[in-house]
Amino acid sequence: DIQMTQSPSSLSASVGDRVTITCRSSQDIRTSLNWYQHKPGIAPKLLIYAASTLQTGVPSRFSGSGSGTDFTLTISGLQPGDFATYYCQQSYNALTFGQGTRLEIK
Amino acid sequence: QVQLVESGGGVVQTGGSLTLSCAASGFDFNTYAMHWVRQTPGGGLEWVATIRYDGSNSYYPDAIKGRFTISRDNSKNTLFLEINSLRREDTAMYYCAKDVGLREFWSGDLDLWGQGTLVTVSS
Repeated sequence: DIQMTQSPSSLSASVGDRVTITCRSSQDIRTSLNWYQHKPGIAPKLLIYAASTLQTGVPSRFSGSGSGTDFTLTISGLQPGDFATYYCQQSYNALTFGQGTRLEIK
Repeated sequence: QVQLVESGGGVVQTGGSLTLSCAASGFDFNTYAMHWVRQTPGGGLEWVATIRYDGSNSYYPDAIKGRFTISRDNSKNTLFLEINSLRREDTAMYYCAKDVGLREFWSGDLDLWGQGTLVTVSS
């Protein structure tokens, strides 16, 4: 099974900040990596697929990069609605999620 | 409106069974693979099952294979998940999700999720 490890597990930041979340896979997954945003009581939302492709309707302040085993999600200019939990997920072999990164207001 | 709405969750005793449903609307349900994903009380997301667009094949992680059965009724735009021999560790919010890829080109990228239905297993 492919294991996904996210860091940090939690992060405090202010509106306007730039934040980066990292995700590492236990084996090469090419660019089969997605990022989701999840807020309590709301359906999870796909932000980025194939490591760096922005899902339709997602603001351009979200960006993704990486390939192989190391990936990053960057949010440039945090907005109040961005405080949520973020998950990475590999789709190279079955589906596996990272443990999540909780982004909180400082 | 493009949406997925889960139902069927509740409190169930260990060893019991439950069938969850997911009603799809606003898209061509019969052309997309569908998935179930659960979120445990600790917050982690775990893939539970996948079914092809035509129901011809289904896939499960090894850890739960045998107790879970995913199925679909394309005539009713509805996805199902049957869970047998429920264990306390099955306590979770269960989400259905739509795959990005059309027909046989499913990818495991999930572009539409429901809000979930809560299953609580108690002794």
